This record gives sequence, structure tokens and C-alpha cells, in this order.
Amino acid sequence: AQSVTQLDSQVPVFEEAPVELRCNYSSSVSVYLFWYVQYPNQGLQLLLKYLSGSTLVKGINGFEAEFNKSQTSFHLRKPSVHISDTAEYFCAVTRANAGGTSYGKLTFGQGTILTVHP
Amino acid sequence: DSGVTQTPKHLITATGQRVTLRCSPRSGDLSVYWYQQSLDQGLQFLIQYYNGEERAKGNILERFSAQQFPDLHSELNLSSLELGDSALYFCASSVAGNYGYTFGSGTRLTVV
Repeated sequence: AQSVTQLDSQVPVFEEAPVELRCNYSSSVSVYLFWYVQYPNQGLQLLLKYLSGSTLVKGINGFEAEFNKSQTSFHLRKPSVHISDTAEYFCAVTRANAGGTSYGKLTFGQGTILTVHP
Repeated sequence: DSGVTQTPKHLITATGQRVTLRCSPRSGDLSVYWYQQSLDQGLQFLIQYYNGEERAKGNILERFSAQQFPDLHSELNLSSLELGDSALYFCASSVAGNYGYTFGSGTRLTVV
């Protein structure tokens, strides 16, 4: 089974400052990793995903994440945040599939609330 | 619009009642997943269907059941509702080839 730990439940930052949201995972098999964002009263929107290849993944809205297999981490970063980035961010993991057509469940972390102050 | 449609958006019901939540996946997606989001438990996986068959089960109570129909829409049935069942229920669908899990906007269930 896979598990995800988001190390910070809340991260306050000022506008235009850089931010890092930390995510560690645990798994005995290869995994795929995801970051989702949830704005108030909305569903989950995919920011980025790591499946294979380059360990630095770029996503939407200027976010990027780096997969570090030795540290079992997948931290999310943005060099300069905006007020509109205020939301809850979820890291998620699923077992890497060897080629089937049915993907397994996503296991989510507890979420990190990012609050951007003016 | 993500392409995953959930109805209703809001539901208020009394304890002991039964409700049905509906999910229409994105066109072409064969897998449907149900999740429960609550303040104390976070996002919990409930159940997955693939092309009409149950594929995986998570922390789903015996009072809850689900099915996926031939047209691939799915329904989550919650019965003998308790106050603690109040939560946001999400449906997601996925397509083979790019691990695209797409979430609907959720159904907010309030049990009073």
C-alpha cells in the first residue's frame, strides 16, 4: 500500500514570495505522483504529475515539482506566488501500472492550506 | 467544466434516510472512483469501478454501496445516514494512456 505525508498543514506567505509545499510518500513499489489544488467550494484540479522521465515536472499556474526517489519526496514549488494561489493543495500517489488499462486509486495526503497575504 | 458531472451539487437530508449520488464520467473514461472528503478524515477513497465491474474497495461502510451502469455512469447509495456521513463526495474518472484522473465538482451532503 502507498501513503502520503504532507509535512505542513498550513503555509502562510506574502505575495510575490517563493513557496515550497512538502510531500513525502511511502511505497514498496514504483509510484506515480500528483499534485492537485482545491479552491474554496470547488473540486480538485490537477496541477502536475510525475509518471517517468525528467524528475523536474512543470505544471499549470507556474508551479513545478521535483521527484526525489532517494528521499521519497515530491515537493511543490512556485518562485513567486499570487493572492489567487490561496487554496488547499493535495499531494497524491498511485501504484505505477505496468501497462493495463485500469488505473488504481489515488491515495491523498491530508492537504496543505496555502494562504497568500498581500 | 472538467467533463465529470456530479448531481446533485447539494443535498440535505435527515438521519436514517437514504440518498443516491450520481456521477457521469468524461466521455471515453471507463474507470470511476468515489471519494469522501471530510474535515477529520481528509480525502478517503471509497470504491472504484471499471467498465461496470468493481475493481477496488477502500474505506467504504457497509451502509454504502455503488454501481456502474452500462452507459458508464455511476451511482453511490448511502443508507441509514448518520450525522458523521456529512461530507463532500467526489467522483473521478480516468482514461488509459496518460493517468488523467479528472474530478467532478462534488456533492455536498449534509445530514441533519
